[in-house]
Amino acid sequence: SQQGEEDPQALSIQEGENATMNCSYKTSINNLQWYRQNSGRGLVHLILIRSNEREKHSGRLRVTLDTSKKSSSLLITASRAADTASYFCATDHTGGFKTIFGAGTRLFVKA
Amino acid sequence: DGGITQSPKYLFRKEGQNVTLSCEQNLNHDAMYWYRQDPGQGLRLIYYSQIVNDFQKGDIAEGYSVSREKKESFPLTVTSAQKNPTAFYLCASSNYRQNQETQYFGPGTRLLVL
Repeated sequence: SQQGEEDPQALSIQEGENATMNCSYKTSINNLQWYRQNSGRGLVHLILIRSNEREKHSGRLRVTLDTSKKSSSLLITASRAADTASYFCATDHTGGFKTIFGAGTRLFVKA
Repeated sequence: DGGITQSPKYLFRKEGQNVTLSCEQNLNHDAMYWYRQDPGQGLRLIYYSQIVNDFQKGDIAEGYSVSREKKESFPLTVTSAQKNPTAFYLCASSNYRQNQETQYFGPGTRLLVL
């Protein structure tokens, strides 16, 4: 399977702490995206990083990509209770049209 | 408001019944997708369509059917052949022709079997 894998499966932190989630994948990619899903809702796009980029920032989000290790990380700084959600990485693979979603990391931010 | 809508929010299916989930977008996107999400799991692709009057099977197409007669609409039918249909169904669209791979998701439809 080409499906990406997120690590950890679940993460519980205190408000104000940083949260780091990791994603690994198996085959060459054109880009990697991170999405957020609140319980019972659709997914919302957070950030896209292309295969020739190594780091990208958006507000409190920082994404890194290491194509040699086929892995990415999402860092949420100064977390808030409202950041509680599931976070998915999604990869667009070279030569393919489909986007492959991982199983997600469930983040709990305690107030 | 531009966006993607799904209806209904909840849907109940009886044994042997076909049900159709609606997905509409006014984003002028060429590509549309249907995903299935089981509790605590990621998304699995059921069908996708890159252009009107064309669609392709995804990873778990058995027991499902779709049509793409209009650019803005991509309905999904869950047939009686789908033996375990209880799940959360998500529709998405993207403007991949403009190299915009971001997918925009609807709010989802939760299908339950009576």
